[in-house]
Amino acid sequence: DVKVTQSSRYLVKRTGEKVFLECVQDMDHENMFWYRQDPGLGLRLIYFSYDVKMKEKGDIPEGYSVSREKKERFSLILESASTNQTSMYLCASSPDRDLYNEQFFGPGTRLTVL
Amino acid sequence: AQSVSQHNHHVILSEAASLELGCNYSYGGTVNLFWYVQYPGQHLQLLLKYFSGDPLVKGIKGFEAEFIKSKFSFNLRKPSVQWSDTAEYFCAVTSNDYKLSFGAGTTVTVRA
Repeated sequence: DVKVTQSSRYLVKRTGEKVFLECVQDMDHENMFWYRQDPGLGLRLIYFSYDVKMKEKGDIPEGYSVSREKKERFSLILESASTNQTSMYLCASSPDRDLYNEQFFGPGTRLTVL
Repeated sequence: AQSVSQHNHHVILSEAASLELGCNYSYGGTVNLFWYVQYPGQHLQLLLKYFSGDPLVKGIKGFEAEFIKSKFSFNLRKPSVQWSDTAEYFCAVTSNDYKLSFGAGTTVTVRA
């Protein structure tokens, strides 16, 4: 089974702090994704990556950056956290660039910014 | 990005009732369509998907969905729901930009 793990289930940070969310997948997938999930808005894509050291902006990249130094690890960085970044963050991976592939999701990190 | 609309925000029904969740998307070209489900406390997981061929696709746990190209729709159905089908359901679409666009989700509550 594909396993996507995220470093924390719950995280509480203060406004202005730098926040790192880590995601690791164990199936040698090429693609990795970061989403945020908000009630009534579904999942919105923040950033994705098709290869090591490669990244592309999703639909809502403002206020976020990412890092992919190793194939299995994809980090989401909030340079200066703000209260409107309070949300559930989901990481996902998929095998390659075939559009038919499903994405496999991690358990999510619920981030609260005070 | 694709626009994906799910018509119902919250559906409440009794066990053995039939379920149909609507999904419409905006893109007029070739699309790949997915339904994902998130059970309480669990990961988001794939329920079923459509790529090509028979527009009626069957997924896990007795779910099926029908792709109607002329209506830009991919509605999810189950003839007889169980209490364990209580979950949030998301429709999602990819087109040629490799991004998966999700609808807002529908919360389904099944009363025992």
